[in-house]
Amino acid sequence: AQSVAQPEDQVNVAEGNPLTVKCTYSVSGNPYLFWYVQYPNRGLQFLLKYITGDNLVKGSYGFEAEFNKSQTSFHLKKPSALVSDSALYFCAVRDRGAAGNKLTFGGGTRVLVKP
Amino acid sequence: DVKVTQSSRYLVKRTGEKVFLECVQDMDHENMFWYRQDPGLGLRLIYFSYDVKMKEKGDIPEGYSVSREKKERFSLILESASTNQTSMYLCASSDGTSGYYNEQFFGPGTRLTVL
Repeated sequence: AQSVAQPEDQVNVAEGNPLTVKCTYSVSGNPYLFWYVQYPNRGLQFLLKYITGDNLVKGSYGFEAEFNKSQTSFHLKKPSALVSDSALYFCAVRDRGAAGNKLTFGGGTRVLVKP
Repeated sequence: DVKVTQSSRYLVKRTGEKVFLECVQDMDHENMFWYRQDPGLGLRLIYFSYDVKMKEKGDIPEGYSVSREKKERFSLILESASTNQTSMYLCASSDGTSGYYNEQFFGPGTRLTVL
């Protein structure tokens, strides 16, 4: 079985400061990992994914994420947060060895960037 | 750009009613998904389909059924709506031809209230 944990329900950060949203995962094999963002009253938008290769993945809107196999983590980061980054962020995982195309999502982390 | 549309943004129904939620995608994607989103629980997969007339149960299929008669359209059916089905419903699609690591594209969601 595959699972994802986002340990923080909410992250507060001042505009211009670094932003980190944490994610840990559990799979029996090797993972595909994803980050999505949801702005108010909108569907989810894809930010970035880790498939293989370089552990540092760069995505949309200046976000990046680092895959750490030993810690089974895939934390989302942004060097300098904007007020417009305030949104709900979801981490998701798929076990490469599993049949089908099912993603398992974490519970989400709300990010509030204050001016 | 991929566009996933859902038939309603807001829907209010009575207990016991049969409810249809429609989803259409315009990118010729093989895979389509229905999720429900509840605070603190993230997204939970209800059903998915990897081809016309094909469907598989997700993590929480009880009380729901689906239909996929055409490649671009995936319908979620609540046979007899209950108050515990009050939720945000999200449809998604993804390209199935390149493996199971393709990102999913989401519709704007339907907020269903069952009274």
